[in-house]
Amino acid sequence: NAGVTQTPKFRVLKTGQSMTLLCAQDMNHEYMYWYRQDPGMGLRLIHYSVGEGTTAKGEVPDGYNVSRLKKQNFLLGLESAAPSQTSVYFCATLNPAGTNQPQHFGDGTRLSIL
Amino acid sequence: AQSVTQLGSHVSVSEGALVLLRCNYSSSVPPYLFWYVQYPNQGLQLLLKYTTGATLVKGINGFEAEFKKSETSFHLTKPSAHMSDAAEYFCAVSPSGGSYIPTFGRGTSLIVHP
Repeated sequence: NAGVTQTPKFRVLKTGQSMTLLCAQDMNHEYMYWYRQDPGMGLRLIHYSVGEGTTAKGEVPDGYNVSRLKKQNFLLGLESAAPSQTSVYFCATLNPAGTNQPQHFGDGTRLSIL
Repeated sequence: AQSVTQLGSHVSVSEGALVLLRCNYSSSVPPYLFWYVQYPNQGLQLLLKYTTGATLVKGINGFEAEFKKSETSFHLTKPSAHMSDAAEYFCAVSPSGGSYIPTFGRGTSLIVHP
């Protein structure tokens, strides 16, 4: 049982390049989230999805796009990478059934934009 | 609207000493409260959560937290620190009623000295 798997784990990009981060889950959770973590800033929500085919903006959505074509996958895209997007990106899932379920997190993708 | 304040970006204790990590929240509805721990190069893992009922919540690794509604606090404690407790700790609040969009504090780095 892998839980939440993020691909790749590390990546270095040049300014202006594009890339897609993949989050895959095997827990059949409805909700999926993308966060970025920067020193002293905690976790900030980029985009989230409440189910297959749905997406919504979070706190810091600019410069990112997402897609949830399949329930188990949530993709985060950077169309034209900027140095300000250097960060550690975390994917999380949640099963809304039952009361106050916690989120389950992947191990992160460390992205550097030069 | 909801927010989380973690007092102290760094807390330093000696091995065997009491650990106290502070979390205050604001929420317009009764909150669900969580503490997560993040070890280096890993994602966040649930330590404990407050649902309803008992205000003193016990979690993994000997940690516990007490929900104090009058003080809007959910401080995390452990009677005796261990070297392995050194990590980043995040408090999160999620509104009851089905939003499932948690808000995270900025995190507190726990440093344990031998």
